[in-house]
Amino acid sequence: EDKVVQSPLSLVVHEGDTVTLNCSYEVTNFRSLLWYKQEKKAPTFLFMLTSSGIEKKSGRLSSILDKKELSSILNITATQTGDSAIYLCAVSGSGGSNYKLTFGKGTLLTVNP
Amino acid sequence: GAVVSQHPSRVICKSGTSVKIECRSLDFQATTMFWYRQFPKKSLMLMATSNEGSKATYEQGVEKDKFLINHASLTLSTLTVTSAHPEDSSFYICSARGTVEQYFGPGTRLTVT
Repeated sequence: EDKVVQSPLSLVVHEGDTVTLNCSYEVTNFRSLLWYKQEKKAPTFLFMLTSSGIEKKSGRLSSILDKKELSSILNITATQTGDSAIYLCAVSGSGGSNYKLTFGKGTLLTVNP
Repeated sequence: GAVVSQHPSRVICKSGTSVKIECRSLDFQATTMFWYRQFPKKSLMLMATSNEGSKATYEQGVEKDKFLINHASLTLSTLTVTSAHPEDSSFYICSARGTVEQYFGPGTRLTVT
């Protein structure tokens, strides 16, 4: 059974801090790892990672995958209160059919002014 | 980017009644759609994989007779919660698989009284 573990489960920081969120996984026939941000409604896509060691960046957010360690990190620099959300990590494997996603429990990030 | 819609966004129903939730991919065809359930402050739990033109594949522990899924066309999947009970109250989210990633609908908040 595919498994995704995120840490920490929650984190409280001040504006301007840098945070690193962790995701480790066990999946049959790994295809990709995805990061999502969830505020009040459904998750919004951040990154999809398929290759090890290649950093993806979008503004203050960046993420990298380590296939050897079966893990990924999501970095947020110069955090703002608008970054407060649940950050979800999901993996897609082709061990089953249809590339279903298995989600971790998420990291609840709170950024205080 | 690709858009997925859900309808209704919020529904309140009485115990014992059935509720239908629609998931539509608005600008792409999706042979595969996924239905998730999310409890407060919990991660997304995959309920079933909906395949156009064939029967849905349910995850372990999900009652197929209670959560009826129909994927009648390449742009529409429906989830019907039959004989709803208060414990079925939850946030239901669908996603549709595009060529690269999954796109999530905005979710449906179901409250059973």
